Amino acid sequence: KAGVTQTPRYLIKTRGQQVTLSCSPISGHRSVSWYQQTPGQGLQFLFEYFSETQRNKGNFPGRFSGRQFSNSRSEMNVSTLELGDSALYLCASRSTGGYEQFFGPGTRLTVL
Amino acid sequence: QKEVEQDPGPLSVPEGAIVSLNCTYSNSAFQYFMWYRQYSRKGPELLMYTYSSGNKEDGRFTAQVDKSSKYISLFIRDSQPSDSATYLCAMSAGELGGGSNYKLTFGKGTLLTVNP
Repeated sequence: KAGVTQTPRYLIKTRGQQVTLSCSPISGHRSVSWYQQTPGQGLQFLFEYFSETQRNKGNFPGRFSGRQFSNSRSEMNVSTLELGDSALYLCASRSTGGYEQFFGPGTRLTVL
Repeated sequence: QKEVEQDPGPLSVPEGAIVSLNCTYSNSAFQYFMWYRQYSRKGPELLMYTYSSGNKEDGRFTAQVDKSSKYISLFIRDSQPSDSATYLCAMSAGELGGGSNYKLTFGKGTLLTVNP
């Protein structure tokens, strides 16, 4: 079974721009969560989607948003990029009723 | 006080050593505990998953959870150079977390190097 895939793997943007990241979960998984990983803060929860509905949101500003499509694929958008948004953005999928989360390889975003 | 505390290391051991990695936590609602391994520039890989207190063994890896002490451990026996990575503990509250059921709270990770 294919794992979680994320595109693109690397991205370079400048301050003020916006960016969209994509995640395809493991086949059959309907829950997708997003996390931000930085050297200073570690892994922090952004939000979770299940069946196209946002179930939970972490402590991030409104510039961070997401959505999920009917095929469970998810996108995350960051508007008005700041230097501090440079991070590895990780997507994780979970099967219905399960608690284990399986991560993709991440998208490394660099904001200049 | 952070919800999950993990010694960042770095930890350096010779090949074949027994490695002990630990996390403490403050949220008594946590009941699902996971250990992830993350190689440089890769996503975290799930190693072990434990529900509530107790031990779980999988090959060279043993996970222990002591909810009374709010302390979890991962032991690696006969460590190999290929075990060199960052190890992250993660926890969730499950049904006790209300709206935060599936959110994972992570430790900062421990960098392990196993020397041949």
